[in-house]
Amino acid sequence: AQSVSQHNHHVILSEAASLELGCNYSYGGTVNLFWYVQYPGQHLQLLLKYFSGDPLVKGIKGFEAEFIKSKFSFNLRKPSVQWSDTAEYFCAVNSLMDTGRRALTFGSGTRLQVQP
Amino acid sequence: DTGVSQDPRHKITKRGQNVTFRCDPISEHNRLYWYRQTLGQGPEFLTYFQNEAQLEKSRLLSDRFSAERPKGSFSTLEIQRTEQGDSAMYLCASSTTSGRDPDTQYFGPGTRLTVL
Repeated sequence: AQSVSQHNHHVILSEAASLELGCNYSYGGTVNLFWYVQYPGQHLQLLLKYFSGDPLVKGIKGFEAEFIKSKFSFNLRKPSVQWSDTAEYFCAVNSLMDTGRRALTFGSGTRLQVQP
Repeated sequence: DTGVSQDPRHKITKRGQNVTFRCDPISEHNRLYWYRQTLGQGPEFLTYFQNEAQLEKSRLLSDRFSAERPKGSFSTLEIQRTEQGDSAMYLCASSTTSGRDPDTQYFGPGTRLTVL
C-alpha cells in the first residue's frame, strides 16, 4: 500500500523567509502528485499538481514543487513567504498502477505559521 | 462556477443516532469521493463513485456506513448507530475523467460531525 510522509509537522517562519516542505511517498510505480492547502476556516484547495513532463511545477500564489523520482519526493517551495501563507499544507499521491484505484493518499500535513 | 457543496456544515448528534450527509459535486464531474479527516491528520479515503457506481470502499468504511449516488449526481453518506469515534470532518471531493482538468479532485467545505 502506498503511504505519504510529511516530516515537518509544524514550521514557524518570519515573513520573507524561504520555505521548503518535505513530502516523500512509498510507491514505486507511476504516480500523480498534489499539494493542497487549507487556510484557517476554509476548505482544502489545490496548490499545484504533477502528472508528467517537467518535474518542476508551478502553482498558485508563487508556490512551486519539484518531483524527484529517484528520491520519491515532491517537496514544496516558496522563495519568500507572507503572513497570508499561514495554513496547513497537505501532500497527496494517486497511484496509477493499482487497478481502479483513484483515491488520494494524504500525508498528515504540515502546519505553517508565518510571523509578521 | 460553483464548487463542491456539502450539507449540513455541522452536525451534533447523540451516540446511537443515525445521521446523513449530502454532497453536490461540480456539475460536470463524474467521479465523487468521500474522505474523513480527524484533528491533526490528513484526509483518509472512505469510498468513491464513478457516475452511480460505487467502485471502491476503504476498510475504514464499516457496516454502519453506507453511501449512495443514485442518479450519478449528488451523493449521500449515512452513518447508522453513531459512535463517539465517528466524530470527524467528512469531506467530499469530485473530479472528471475528461476535459481540461482530469483526475484532479476538488474538495467541498466538509461536514463536521460531533457525536456526544
